Amino acid sequence: KAGVTQTPRYLIKTRGQQVTLSCSPISGHRSVSWYQQTPGQGLQFLFEYFSETQRNKGNFPGRFSGRQFSNSRSEMNVSTLELGDSALYLCASSSGRRETQYFGPGTRLLVL
Amino acid sequence: AQKVTQAQTEISVVEKEDVTLDCVYETRDTTYYLFWYKQPPSGELVFLIRRNSFDEQNEISGRYSWNFQKSTSSFNFTITASQVVDSAVYFCALSEATSGTYKYIFGTGTRLKVLA
Repeated sequence: KAGVTQTPRYLIKTRGQQVTLSCSPISGHRSVSWYQQTPGQGLQFLFEYFSETQRNKGNFPGRFSGRQFSNSRSEMNVSTLELGDSALYLCASSSGRRETQYFGPGTRLLVL
Repeated sequence: AQKVTQAQTEISVVEKEDVTLDCVYETRDTTYYLFWYKQPPSGELVFLIRRNSFDEQNEISGRYSWNFQKSTSSFNFTITASQVVDSAVYFCALSEATSGTYKYIFGTGTRLKVLA
């Protein structure tokens, strides 16, 4: 079974721009979660989607948003990028909300 | 509030030594899950083990073993006969079920360096 895939793997943007990251979960998995990893803050939960509905949201500003499609693929969007948004963004999928999350390789975003 | 503490920021050992990574958690939930993940330099978090709060059995998988003790809120991870390939950052995580959130709370990670 193929693992979680994320595209793109690397991204360079400038302040004020917006960015969309994509995540394809493991086949059959309906739950997708997003995390931000930075050296200063560590791994922080962004949001979780299950059956196209956002079930949970972390403590991030409204510039961070996401959605999930009927095929369980998910996208997250960050508008009006700030330097502090530079991070590794990790997507994880699970077969159910109580089940183990499996992570993708991440998207490294650099904001200049 | 839920919290995961990994007090060891970095550990260096010589190959073939045993090493234990500590994890202490805080939660008010009665049903929760604990995890260990490994993050090699490539960045992907690799799942190692999951433990449910109602199952305190320790587990051994090859060179890896885990010691879960609810009395001390600890979930420690031991690698025996460490190898250079074990070098990575290891994260402990907590997921609460009773509150219905299921989001993972991660510790700050322990960087393990295994020297040849």
